[in-house]
Amino acid sequence: DAGVTQSPTHLIKTRGQQVTLRCSPISGHKSVSWYQQVLGQGPQFIFQYYEKEERGRGNFPDRFSARQFPNYSSELNVNALLLGDSALYLCASSLALYPGGTEAFFGQGTRLTVV
Amino acid sequence: AQSVTQLDSQVPVFEEAPVELRCNYSSSVSVYLFWYVQYPNQGLQLLLKYLSGSTLVKGINGFEAEFNKSQTSFHLRKPSVHISDTAEYFCAVSVTSYDKVIFGPGTSLSVIP
Repeated sequence: DAGVTQSPTHLIKTRGQQVTLRCSPISGHKSVSWYQQVLGQGPQFIFQYYEKEERGRGNFPDRFSARQFPNYSSELNVNALLLGDSALYLCASSLALYPGGTEAFFGQGTRLTVV
Repeated sequence: AQSVTQLDSQVPVFEEAPVELRCNYSSSVSVYLFWYVQYPNQGLQLLLKYLSGSTLVKGINGFEAEFNKSQTSFHLRKPSVHISDTAEYFCAVSVTSYDKVIFGPGTSLSVIP
């Protein structure tokens, strides 16, 4: 069975641009979470969606948004990119209705570099 | 606010030696606890989790962890490490199933031949 897949794997953008990252969860998983991992730090929670509804939101500015589609895949959008948005963006899927209390399965991530 | 501390940013250890990676969290209430491993250029993989019950939790690849409520700790141990255990290890906590998962800053384990 395929695991969590993310695309693209690498991306270079210029400050002020917008970016869209994509994630397909494990088959049967209805929950998708997004994390930002800055180099040398642990992942930070951005969003969690379950059956197209937002179930959790981290402390990120409104420039960050996400959505989930009927097939449970998800997109993360970041507007007006800043240099500080450079990071590895991880997608995780699970069976859970809410973000905590259960195992999450992570994709390999999208490495975003803002120049 | 909830926080996770991993006291050692880097841990070098010789092959076949035991290792302990330390994790402390800030909550005084019941929590869910996790250890994840991240190999170079890959996502995170769950090693083990504590949700309730026995305080000694066994995970994959020979790792185990012990939940200590009085010391708010969840240290990860392995009796004999292999070269393939070289990776970044993250401790994580959530206070309830409704809450986000908070990750620690990570411990880089380097196994020396």
